[in-house]
Amino acid sequence: DAGVIQSPRHEVTEMGQEVTLRCKPISGHDYLFWYRQTMMRGLELLIYFNNNVPIDDSGMPEDRFSAKMPNASFSTLKIQPSEPRDSAVYFCASSLQGNSPLHFGNGTRLTVT
Amino acid sequence: DAKTTQPPSMDCAEGRAANLPCNHSTISGNEYVYWYRQIHSQGPQYIIHGLKNNETNEMASLIITEDRKSSTLILPHATLRDTAVYYCIVRGDTGTASKLTFGTGTRLQVTL
Repeated sequence: DAGVIQSPRHEVTEMGQEVTLRCKPISGHDYLFWYRQTMMRGLELLIYFNNNVPIDDSGMPEDRFSAKMPNASFSTLKIQPSEPRDSAVYFCASSLQGNSPLHFGNGTRLTVT
Repeated sequence: DAKTTQPPSMDCAEGRAANLPCNHSTISGNEYVYWYRQIHSQGPQYIIHGLKNNETNEMASLIITEDRKSSTLILPHATLRDTAVYYCIVRGDTGTASKLTFGTGTRLQVTL
């Protein structure tokens, strides 16, 4: 099992540009989570999906952020337009069921200049 | 989710047992205690979880007090590779209560 796969590993972009982060969950997992980690705020849950349907997006900071899960094996987190304060490490995680342990990817380090 | 309280940092000598405490005095009856760790530059890694009985796996042991208001994660023979931030999380088992909410954790430094 390859685990949760995230791409890219690093992303550097200029303020105002669109950024798309990608995640492939573990096959067979029904839940997918997006987290953001910064020094100031730690690990924050942004949104999670169950069977490709968004369940709770209360952690999404603002309308510039959007997440989709078009099928069971792929999800994207998009920021448009990006701002320097969006700089963080973004983690994707998946779990078999809602109360199963989460398995995290190695994250995407985003730098917005 | 119930809040947890952990010491910000701890040290442990390599080869010795590392005992990481966690207080969760407001835990509800259907909430589990989960432990994760995060090694520098990696995603959080699941360690172990339990409801009320003590649990053990290949990585660690989890001791939960009888009143469930606190727990201890035990790494029986710590190695340098166990240096990480350890998160104790209380988590419900259904619906949005099953969200995993991270606190600030305990930074464990294993030394020679």
